[in-house]
Amino acid sequence: EAGVAQSPRYKIIEKRQSVAFWCNPISGHATLYWYQQILGQGPKLLIQFQNNGVVDDSQLPKDRFSAERLKGVDSTLKIQPAKLEDSAVYLCASSLIQGRGSYNEQFFGPGTRLTVL
Amino acid sequence: SQQGEEDPQALSIQEGENATMNCSYKTSINNLQWYRQNSGRGLVHLILIRSNEREKHSGRLRVTLDTSKKSSSLLITASRAADTASYFCATTKAAGNKLTFGGGTRVLVKP
Repeated sequence: EAGVAQSPRYKIIEKRQSVAFWCNPISGHATLYWYQQILGQGPKLLIQFQNNGVVDDSQLPKDRFSAERLKGVDSTLKIQPAKLEDSAVYLCASSLIQGRGSYNEQFFGPGTRLTVL
Repeated sequence: SQQGEEDPQALSIQEGENATMNCSYKTSINNLQWYRQNSGRGLVHLILIRSNEREKHSGRLRVTLDTSKKSSSLLITASRAADTASYFCATTKAAGNKLTFGGGTRVLVKP
């Protein structure tokens, strides 16, 4: 079974530039997550989609970060404009549909390592 | 904010020894999970323990959960060089809710 795919794997940009990351979840997984992992810390959830709707974006810095999952499959995460503190690994994960009374394992992609200079 | 805090932050052991790391969290949980992360395989789910469970085993892994102390421990027995990685605990407050990760423990297993 193919895992979660992400691209690019690495990206280096100057501050104030824009950047976009792409994620293709495991086939059939309705729930998709974007996490930010700063060096030396654990991942922090930025946004959670269920199909093409947003379930939780409470920790997404909405003045500069945006994400979409238009057809309920692939997703893109964009940063515009980037700041130095956005340097991190951006992880995408997917799971079967989450619902009350159930927990489904999240499967993580390899991540995109972003460096903002 | 991070829910779980792992202790120690770093651990160095010889191959064959056991490795123990602890996780403390702040609020009530539905379940607690442990993940491993290394450069080769990314972030991988190891084991999940529900709030009404006290101990769980999976291969060389043993997880305990003490909800009265809001803490969990992960024991890796007979460690191998391939166990070198960062280990994170993560909690959910309710079934179907989001994962909140701790800061991780970096484990180095020396051959």
